Amino acid sequence: GAVVSQHPSWVICKSGTSVKIECRSLDFQATTMFWYRQFPKQSLMLMATSNEGSKATYEQGVEKDKFLINHASLTLSTLTVTSAHPEDSSFYICSASRQGSSYNEQFFGPGTRLTVL
Amino acid sequence: QKEVEQNSGPLSVPEGAIASLNCTYSDRGSQSFFWYRQYSGKSPELIMFIYSNGDKEDGRFTAQLNKASQYVSLLIRDSQPSDSATYLCAPAPGGYNKLIFGAGTRLAVHP
Repeated sequence: GAVVSQHPSWVICKSGTSVKIECRSLDFQATTMFWYRQFPKQSLMLMATSNEGSKATYEQGVEKDKFLINHASLTLSTLTVTSAHPEDSSFYICSASRQGSSYNEQFFGPGTRLTVL
Repeated sequence: QKEVEQNSGPLSVPEGAIASLNCTYSDRGSQSFFWYRQYSGKSPELIMFIYSNGDKEDGRFTAQLNKASQYVSLLIRDSQPSDSATYLCAPAPGGYNKLIFGAGTRLAVHP
């Protein structure tokens, strides 16, 4: 159990376009989902925390108007990179905390590799 | 001050040896810890959780927690080349709060 999926696994887009990434908890309900970004050879960087039915909480330095997060249900959160530019090229990873979990461990999706041309 | 400190490595060990990965933390209130493993180009996967002082063993992995000295470690016995990855530690958050990862230690197991 505790499987998290992401779609797409990779995407290539032109500069100026918007890209939507989906994160789904397949076999559990996720009260909270998290979005991370990771550049090559660097650490995971938390972008935002998303709770079902409420606005996401963004980390300092992350533009909320550029990275739109929607958490419409207990199994789905989406991240939209608006007006993407080459510097947004990165590995985007979501994770989810299982509702009712004793230890609040996070389960990670496989990630989405975004390349902006 | 960072909440979690890890030596970035790389830690290089020969195949079959014991790899010892360490993590120190600053918040005395931290009660339990996760260890995640991240292969290059992949997302992290949870490998161990420890919530009490002492050792917890799971196969070739042993997590050790010392709350008095504020460190947590991960021992990998009989290291294999497939163990080569970055290992991340993080204190378990209260509620559904965010994880604060250390920078991770890169482990390289050579044949």
